[in-house]
Amino acid sequence: AQSVTQPDIHITVSEGASLELRCNYSYGATPYLFWYVQSPGQGLQLLLKYFSGDTLVQGIKGFEAEFKRSQSSFNLRKPSVHWSDAAEYFCAVVPGYSSASKIIFGSGTRLSIRP
Amino acid sequence: DAGITQSPRYKITETGRQVTLMCHQTWSHSYMFWYRQDLGHGLRLIYYSAAADITDKGEVSDGYVVSRSKTENFPLTLESATRSQTSVYFCASSLGDITDTQYFGPGTRLTVL
Repeated sequence: AQSVTQPDIHITVSEGASLELRCNYSYGATPYLFWYVQSPGQGLQLLLKYFSGDTLVQGIKGFEAEFKRSQSSFNLRKPSVHWSDAAEYFCAVVPGYSSASKIIFGSGTRLSIRP
Repeated sequence: DAGITQSPRYKITETGRQVTLMCHQTWSHSYMFWYRQDLGHGLRLIYYSAAADITDKGEVSDGYVVSRSKTENFPLTLESATRSQTSVYFCASSLGDITDTQYFGPGTRLTVL
């Protein structure tokens, strides 16, 4: 079955440390890929997205993500996290562009920051 | 610039009652979406709309009804609420199509007793 997997339910990192959040998908063709962030009590906000071209994508708030076709992955990274990055992060996929395409979200990774 | 708003923000209802959650956007975005968010499931698409009078089912549409008579409004109705519909509901909109950036409302927390 087609799916989006975020293997880590909860991650804690120290402030100033680097971060990598994992996302894997199981679709045949290259999908459209997104990372969204949800701060406590808020709706979601787009961090970045990938459609084609350069496989390293830059986003807002210092985040980047790399698309690796061979691993069916789209991992989110940040070189140095700040306390304000504590939030829930969702990977999302649109399997292919057509009138019937629908967006599918992963179950999310909650990020905590250790002072 | 109000953006995208949802009302009510909190709602408690009883099993079997009809409930309508409202969503309003001021950007004239073509697409609008309804999601539910449950622990361990992330966001699941309930319904979406490509334009006024055009709607389509998502992953978990059973028990829900939508309408879109005007571009800016996209109400979600639970025809006969069940406990399993206790959730946080998010509305979103996007200017273009399903691959465009979605802008989310603040959410409605619904409890069905």
